[in-house]
Amino acid sequence: QSVLTQPPSVSGAPGQRVTISCTGSSANIGAGYDVHWYQHLPGTAPKLLIYGNNNRPSGVPDRFSASKSGTSASLAITGLQAEDEADYYCQSYDSSLSLGAWLFGGGTKLAVL
Amino acid sequence: QVQLVQSGSELEKPGASVKVSCKASGYSFTTYAINWVRQAPGQGLEWMGWLNTNTGNPTYAQGFTGRFLFSLDTSVSTAYLQINSLKAEDTAVYYCARVYKHQVTTNSYYYYMDVWGKGTTVTVSS
Repeated sequence: QSVLTQPPSVSGAPGQRVTISCTGSSANIGAGYDVHWYQHLPGTAPKLLIYGNNNRPSGVPDRFSASKSGTSASLAITGLQAEDEADYYCQSYDSSLSLGAWLFGGGTKLAVL
Repeated sequence: QVQLVQSGSELEKPGASVKVSCKASGYSFTTYAINWVRQAPGQGLEWMGWLNTNTGNPTYAQGFTGRFLFSLDTSVSTAYLQINSLKAEDTAVYYCARVYKHQVTTNSYYYYMDVWGKGTTVTVSS
């Protein structure tokens, strides 16, 4: 069970908007650590989607946006496209001594209906 | 073109060792750390630790101490992951990823993985 909690799956029709939540605690997101998001298509290299809570790398469409508040973060995808079907992971850091410094959420599988 | 090229799939028996390579190109290898990430079958991404490519100093995440070794050869811009005394539960895809240090202000940075290798599948089976 991941320290950063994501819904196992979300779905939406083409053109719709979906959000993926990432819930942490005062030891990670709530401690002020930044959140980054990755998109992963099975069999390929994960791809950086959002860095620094709400910044898109060059080449990432503005359909993707993210935010962070308190102990949670969220990723929003608008104008869903078939090519968005993938696994999405949030990533942050943890100050707890019992855990590694870098953390991933458990991942969310996005299905485009 | 910045890229990380990983070695090919490995099939090993329990108790054996395996060494996965991750060759960097298109940038100064020792400027950016390397993270290692595991994805077991049907599971999510799991951070294994990181390798300081400037000093060679490794840091291992909880659960990846003892049998897991990070190393590097700067002469060929390559990082390595060695797993000893392989177990069936080590069966997974292993990724290397570059750690990018993005300056936000004078004293603050974002650290994230901006370039990933395509992964190396390690299968442990008798």
